[in-house]
Amino acid sequence: NAGVMQNPRHLVRRRGQEARLRCSPMKGHSHVYWYRQLPEEGLKFMVYLQKENIIDESGMPKERFSAEFPKEGPSILRIQQVVRGDSAAYFCASSLIPGQSSGANVLTFGAGSRLTVL
Amino acid sequence: DAKTTQPPSMDCAEGRAANLPCNHSTISGNEYVYWYRQIHSQGPQYIIHGLKNNETNEMASLIITEDRKSSTLILPHATLRDTAVYYCIVRVAMYSGGGADGLTFGKGTHLIIQP
Repeated sequence: NAGVMQNPRHLVRRRGQEARLRCSPMKGHSHVYWYRQLPEEGLKFMVYLQKENIIDESGMPKERFSAEFPKEGPSILRIQQVVRGDSAAYFCASSLIPGQSSGANVLTFGAGSRLTVL
Repeated sequence: DAKTTQPPSMDCAEGRAANLPCNHSTISGNEYVYWYRQIHSQGPQYIIHGLKNNETNEMASLIITEDRKSSTLILPHATLRDTAVYYCIVRVAMYSGGGADGLTFGKGTHLIIQP
């Protein structure tokens, strides 16, 4: 039972290029979350998606960043025209739909994708 | 989600129990206490969660005070591999069908296990 798979693990881009980060959730999980961790800082929530729906993007920068979780395939976090300040670790997490009786919703995180912008 | 307060850092000797405190005085009745940890450069790892009863699993124990305003995570026999940042998070667990359902991470406690 593979965990949350993220790729690439490391990505180097020059300023102005595009970065695409992929996340395959755990089998059976239909909720995906993206977090960003800047160097020496804590994790910040970016976006929460279900299949074909963005549920909450309150943590996403207004420009250049977008996310999707299509019906088929992995979730994609896309950063257009990258700048040096985008250099960070980007973590994806997934969870089950919490049932009415479970009362708990544990997130399982991937190993992260580390973006370096030159 | 309610806020939590944790000490920024703690030391513990290898083989001893590590007790990590967390204050969450504004916790609501429907909010769970979750603990995650992040070992350097890795993704956060779920440890344990609870509502009001004490909980134990293969990794740790969670002790929640009767008034639920604070809790303690206990690693019974700390090893060097337990050195990490530990996050205490309170969060509504029942998905309501809308709005943010993710975790809000604070600064956590940097636990250093000394040999």
